[in-house]
Amino acid sequence: AQSVSQHNHHVILSEAASLELGCNYSYGGTVNLFWYVQYPGQHLQLLLKYFSGDPLVKGIKGFEAEFIKSKFSFNLRKPSVQWSDTAEYFCAVTLNTGGFKTIFGAGTRLFVKA
Amino acid sequence: EAGVTQFPSHSVIEKGQTVTLRCDPISGHDNLYWYRRVMGKEIKFLLHFVKESKQDESGMPNNRFLAERTGGTYSTLKVQPAELEDSGVYFCASSNSGGSYEQYFGPGTRLTVT
Repeated sequence: AQSVSQHNHHVILSEAASLELGCNYSYGGTVNLFWYVQYPGQHLQLLLKYFSGDPLVKGIKGFEAEFIKSKFSFNLRKPSVQWSDTAEYFCAVTLNTGGFKTIFGAGTRLFVKA
Repeated sequence: EAGVTQFPSHSVIEKGQTVTLRCDPISGHDNLYWYRRVMGKEIKFLLHFVKESKQDESGMPNNRFLAERTGGTYSTLKVQPAELEDSGVYFCASSNSGGSYEQYFGPGTRLTVT
């Protein structure tokens, strides 16, 4: 069965620390990869996405992610986090099933201490 | 441009009752998705519409759930009869066609079945 695994459920960092959130998926076919973020009290919104091409993709607010096909991974990184990055982060894979089925990871709650 | 809206924002019903959730996608978005998040767990895909047609409904839990999208605009998700395990947050998302897979999410409906 297709699945998405996020390695950490809760992460606490101090401002200016570097962030890396792990994401692995299990699906052998072509995938479209996403990281979504939900800030407190707000809707889920897209952080970045990968369809094809350069496996290093850049998103909003200084985030980037690297697709490593051989490892089935799509880890999210940010060199220096800010207090405003406190949010829940979701890795997701969209499969073409005839429709589009998106499978989400369980989410990682990031808390950044000021 | 107005975002995805969902109604109601909260619903508390008793086991055995019926509830209907509504989603209004972004105008012009042919693709509409329903998801559910049970507390502490991952966001689970329920189904995908293209206009009024169900493209993938593999995530619908059972036949107590009925989703419709008459006229290809807004969508409803009916739960009848509701069970305790149906409690959770139901998200709706929409996206445009043409190969763009970014989904725009609504605020969710929090359903509590007592």
